[in-house]
Amino acid sequence: DAGITQSPRHKVTETGTPVTLRCHQTENHRYMYWYRQDPGHGLRLIHYSYGVKDTDKGEVSDGYSVSRSKTEDFLLTLESATSSQTSVYFCAISAQSGANVLTFGAGSRLTVL
Amino acid sequence: GIQVEQSPPDLILQEGANSTLRCNFSDSVNNLQWFHQNPWGQLINLFYIPSGTKQNGRLSATTVATERYSLLYISSSQTTDSGVYFCAVDLVSGGAQKLVFGQGTRLTINP
Repeated sequence: DAGITQSPRHKVTETGTPVTLRCHQTENHRYMYWYRQDPGHGLRLIHYSYGVKDTDKGEVSDGYSVSRSKTEDFLLTLESATSSQTSVYFCAISAQSGANVLTFGAGSRLTVL
Repeated sequence: GIQVEQSPPDLILQEGANSTLRCNFSDSVNNLQWFHQNPWGQLINLFYIPSGTKQNGRLSATTVATERYSLLYISSSQTTDSGVYFCAVDLVSGGAQKLVFGQGTRLTINP
C-alpha cells in the first residue's frame, strides 16, 4: 500500500445512515479514484479526481458523492447507505505523466445491513 | 462502452506449470494494464502494456493492439502466484484513467 492509506478498513452500518470513506496519499499524485469491487462485476469506477476540487463521475456514481479539498485526501460519501452498496471499495492513484500506472490502496470492506 | 473479456475464468495448476491468460477487448485502446489481486485482496500492478511485449522475471505480457487482445504468461508457477488476475483498459492514455476491468481469471496453484 505504498503511499496510500484507506480508512476505515472495515465498517458495518445500517441502511439509511451516512458513511464516509477516506483515502490518503503521500505520493503527491494528481489523480485519485474510487472503485468498488463486487462478485461478478470486477472493479467499477465510481468517481475520480483530477485535482483539488476537481472531480467527475465514473461508471457507477449514483448514490455516491466525493470531495477533494487537499491533494492528499479523497473522500467518498454515501449520503444514505443502501444494502446494494455493500461492497469492497478501493482507492487508487496515478501520476500525471509517464507510464501512469494505477496504484491501489488496501481496500475498505463496507457492509450495509 | 468498451467490453473486456478474460479467459479462462478459472485455472487450477500444479506448482511448476506454465500458464497463459487472455484478455480480449472490443475497441482500440491506448492504455492496458494487468493486475494481480492476492488472496488477501491487495491489488498489484504487473504491467502497463498498451502494445508490444514486456517481461518481469517469470511473468511476461504481450499486447497485439491491432487484433485487440493481450496475453499474460506465467512460467514455473509458484503457490504465491495464486489469486485473481485482472486486465483493464482505457481508450486514452495520459491524464485521468477511466480503466474498464475484465471479470478476472482466478488462478490456483497447488503445491
